[in-house]
Amino acid sequence: DAKTTQPPSMDCAEGRAANLPCNHSTISGNEYVYWYRQIHSQGPQYIIHGLKNNETNEMASLIITEDRKSSTLILPHATLRDTAVYYCIVKAGTASKLTFGTGTRLQVTL
Amino acid sequence: AGVAQSPRYKIIEKRQSVAFWCNPISGHATLYWYQQILGQGPKLLIQFQNNGVVDDSQLPKDRFSAERLKGVDSTLKIQPAKLEDSAVYLCASSLIRGKGTGELFFGEGSRLTVL
Repeated sequence: DAKTTQPPSMDCAEGRAANLPCNHSTISGNEYVYWYRQIHSQGPQYIIHGLKNNETNEMASLIITEDRKSSTLILPHATLRDTAVYYCIVKAGTASKLTFGTGTRLQVTL
Repeated sequence: AGVAQSPRYKIIEKRQSVAFWCNPISGHATLYWYQQILGQGPKLLIQFQNNGVVDDSQLPKDRFSAERLKGVDSTLKIQPAKLEDSAVYLCASSLIRGKGTGELFFGEGSRLTVL
């Protein structure tokens, strides 16, 4: 599975959009981009995933560049409860294993 | 109901043994055990499909063992424990491999401290 690069930490004001970047320049054509988050003292939680089209669900939006070498997770209106470590993971479909990096620690502040 | 794990916390001395239990979401054929050391992302230890092992390449087999005898709940054992085994042990489950979105559902984890 391709490796990903994320900034170690980011801050965001409550109510503003949080834009979390991820680089995956070695991604292969059959590899998906998954995002999970881990709130303190909890297990990771699935957020969203995509192959090449932009995706949106009730939690977030995922924007994947046309060359698929990078993506951005957008939390449109961040709240204090969105403070967590966010993991960007690239994997080849549902059958391959989920390999976590160190993620981005997002701190949402008042 | 989500993925259930127990115990939530365990403190032991090095060279002792410990066991963690996991009950996945009903109907989920795939079960995973992850180890998460403080400050790091979770690392996959073992993956089961029903009661068979799919991937145990990162399981330290000299001291760690895991089983899922009836294809439902699972036990992870460490014997003997070392200081570096101090971590949170996360269990996760998903629908059958290759089906659905590939979403994993995680439990809250079992925090192990080895003194």
